[in-house]
Amino acid sequence: KQEVTQIPAALSVPEGENLVLNCSFTDSAIYNLQWFRQDPGKGLTSLLLIQSSQREQTSGRLNASLDKSSGRSTLYIAASQPGDSATYLCAASIYGGATNKLIFGTGTLLAVQP
Amino acid sequence: NAGVTQTPKFQVLKTGQSMTLQCAQDMNHEYMSWYRQDPGMGLRLIHYSVGAGITDQGEVPNGYNVSRSTTEDFPLRLLSAAPSQTSVYFCASSKPTGGAANTEAFFGQGTRLTVV
Repeated sequence: KQEVTQIPAALSVPEGENLVLNCSFTDSAIYNLQWFRQDPGKGLTSLLLIQSSQREQTSGRLNASLDKSSGRSTLYIAASQPGDSATYLCAASIYGGATNKLIFGTGTLLAVQP
Repeated sequence: NAGVTQTPKFQVLKTGQSMTLQCAQDMNHEYMSWYRQDPGMGLRLIHYSVGAGITDQGEVPNGYNVSRSTTEDFPLRLLSAAPSQTSVYFCASSKPTGGAANTEAFFGQGTRLTVV
């Protein structure tokens, strides 16, 4: 059974710092891995999608990498800003017929201090 | 472009009552799913659909029913609400019709349900 783990559960950093969020998964048979942002009381906003054949994706100050062999993905946030404060979730898309079932980690709560 | 729309945003039910959570998407996506989010548990898959007329169970399906009569809509029904169903419910969609299966998932804003 696929399990997804995110470390750390919470992180507080000063503004301007570069940071890395970690996501690990137990089964390397995935379609893709997706990173989301969730603000308090809100829905999930997709940040980056990495296909199983890719190693990394970039969007602005965000860079996500994927290493299927080790079962790990990282989200790198450069020059963090207070507006980056949110919960960050990773989700692995698992094989299971013609579906796109997502297995989520429990998230990393990020606080960027001004 | 509205994306994925969920209604209502908030709901309080008494134990034993029934209700339907609505989900609609306007992106012509084939795949739709329902998740629940509970503290410390993350999001868990309840039911999913790969197209109109096709549904299947996810990780936590008990107490919920779904149907998919159109591509756009995927309602989630609680037949007899229980306090254990207090949660935040999210609907998601992906895979444009005719497109690749492993595409980005889009989520609605959620329905916060309390069962007393």
